[in-house]
Amino acid sequence: GENVEQHPSTLSVQEGDSAVIKCTYSDSASNYFPWYKQELGKRPQLIIDIRSNVGEKKDQRIAVTLNKTAKHFSLHITETQPEDSAVYFCAARYTGTASKLTFGTGTRLQVTL
Amino acid sequence: DTAVSQTPKYLVTQMGNDKSIKCEQNLGHDTMYWYKQDSKKFLKIMFSYNNKELIINETVPNRFSPKSPDKAHLNLHINSLELGDSAVYFCASSQRQATDTQYFGPGTRLTVL
Repeated sequence: GENVEQHPSTLSVQEGDSAVIKCTYSDSASNYFPWYKQELGKRPQLIIDIRSNVGEKKDQRIAVTLNKTAKHFSLHITETQPEDSAVYFCAARYTGTASKLTFGTGTRLQVTL
Repeated sequence: DTAVSQTPKYLVTQMGNDKSIKCEQNLGHDTMYWYKQDSKKFLKIMFSYNNKELIINETVPNRFSPKSPDKAHLNLHINSLELGDSAVYFCASSQRQATDTQYFGPGTRLTVL
């Protein structure tokens, strides 16, 4: 099965700074890597995803990079705003018999004024 | 319109009781999931159904029994509730299996006293 590690567990940045969250996965056959944002008391929501045939993907202030050789992927948020404060989860899709998402342990991002 | 809905939103009950959580999606998706999020925010898959057929059953005690009466519904019944069952339970759905975006329900906060 898949194992996903996520760092850091908490991250505090000042408004306008960049934030980077890193994840590593164990199964080289994994081919889909989504990132979810969960605001306090709310449901997780997809913010960006990347597939294994792509090295980088951007959507406005957020970007994800994937290094298949090293088996790690990262979320980059630029020009952070207070509304970016949330818990962020990375995930990896294991391509075994029953494909499923394995989630990282989450990063609590706090954007301070 | 709510894409993935769950009832109830909150559930407070005594140890040893039996309770059910219901989930419905109106997205026309084939696959539905149950996740458990504990107090440390770890998000772990419990079950997955594809077209009413169980495809993922993680190491969950057999006190937990999912039921999918049709493609749009996935219910979770829990027998003999224990203190450790206290968590937020999220239902989710995706078009097919895990490479498609998963849409989460609002969650059910279960508290076992």
